[in-house]
Amino acid sequence: EVQLVESGGVVVQPGGSLRLSCAASGFTFDDYAMHWVRQAPGKGLEWVSLISWDGGSTYYADSVKGRFTISRDNSKNSLYLQMNSLRAEDTALYYCAKGSTGSGGSTLDYWGQGTLVTVSS
Amino acid sequence: SYELTQPPSVSVSPGQTASITCSGDKLGDKYACWYQQKPGQSPVLVIYQDSKRPSGIPERFSGSNSGNTATLTISGTQAMDEADYYCQAWDSSSLVFGTGTKVTVL
Repeated sequence: EVQLVESGGVVVQPGGSLRLSCAASGFTFDDYAMHWVRQAPGKGLEWVSLISWDGGSTYYADSVKGRFTISRDNSKNSLYLQMNSLRAEDTALYYCAKGSTGSGGSTLDYWGQGTLVTVSS
Repeated sequence: SYELTQPPSVSVSPGQTASITCSGDKLGDKYACWYQQKPGQSPVLVIYQDSKRPSGIPERFSGSNSGNTATLTISGTQAMDEADYYCQAWDSSSLVFGTGTKVTVL
């Protein structure tokens, strides 16, 4: 059974930093691309970032480019999102999602339960 | 940037057919997929590659994609299908979600 468990969400002040983690199990982690998707309270889904199976390619939404960094550790079956220069508009539930292939262009076939990030003073 | 537009809401009676559209420039040239999200839950993939159903998704869910519009159809809609639905496609190495449609089963 595929499981994705996010952690690291907290309340942080504007301008602060945070690192989210996602622990994966139930599939061969290093065969698949991984994504972060966020959902602001009461709003729709917003794609944040993608990392290829080997970490060699990364892509970001314009709204986070230059502030967020996605990474993975295939030896630990883990995905990360380093979030810097946080803004109020980054407040959201952050989901970790598995891609259906090793790179971009795929669907998101499994999702975690999300971790809540609140940016507020 | 690429945009996918959905109607904010669709209402349907139990047992009837619900159709949810997703519009984007030349969307038919890309693969579209659909996610269902019930209140307080994570999204679930219900259609991928325009019209394929993942294992475990009921046959009443179907999809199509042509021209500028992708469509998710729910035949014989049940109360359990009441949820938000999001379309999704890729454009220039960016994943794009639609604006979302709330399906209400009256």
